[in-house]
Amino acid sequence: IAGITQAPTSQILAAGRRMTLRCTQDMRHNAMYWYRQDLGLGLRLIHYSNTAGTTGKGEVPDGYSVSRANTDDFPLTLASAVPSQTSVYFCASSDWEASEQFFGPGTRLTVL
Amino acid sequence: GQNIDQPTEMTATEGAIVQINCTYQTSGFNGLFWYQQHAGEAPTFLSYNVLDGLEEKGRFSSFLSRSKGYSYLLLKELQMKDSASYLCAVRDSDYKLSFGAGTTVTVRA
Repeated sequence: IAGITQAPTSQILAAGRRMTLRCTQDMRHNAMYWYRQDLGLGLRLIHYSNTAGTTGKGEVPDGYSVSRANTDDFPLTLASAVPSQTSVYFCASSDWEASEQFFGPGTRLTVL
Repeated sequence: GQNIDQPTEMTATEGAIVQINCTYQTSGFNGLFWYQQHAGEAPTFLSYNVLDGLEEKGRFSSFLSRSKGYSYLLLKELQMKDSASYLCAVRDSDYKLSFGAGTTVTVRA
């Protein structure tokens, strides 16, 4: 059982380029989340999805978009990357009412 | 929204006890979580409190006072492998988590 996988592990990207970070879970969890983690700021929620077909905005959604076509996949897209989007991105999932979120291994993104 | 405060760093000796405090201000409270994160790795779940009181799980315990907006994580019998960041997170009525910046604990031999 893999749990949650993310791809790529790391990426260096030129500013202005489009990039999609992939996230897949095999636990049949209803809810999925995208966070970014920056030094001194902790984890901040970008977007979330409570169930397939629905998405919502978190604390820092600008410059990012998501889709949830099915239960397992929750890709995060940067339409036109900017240097301030340099960060470590974590995907997570949970049952709708469960106590814990399970996190993927993260994607380290550098925008130059 | 949520305002979550925890100390930036703490240092303790192997075998000792360390208490990490977390205070929060929230517009809607639906539980408090503690996560452990080793450097370069993903956060992993440690504990969950939704009612006042102490939850004990082996060497780790977590306490919650909702009226005071206060929680602490207690780590007993510290081991070198406990050197990590500890994240306090508050869940709101929409089941979304807001995280504190994390407390880096360094365990010395």
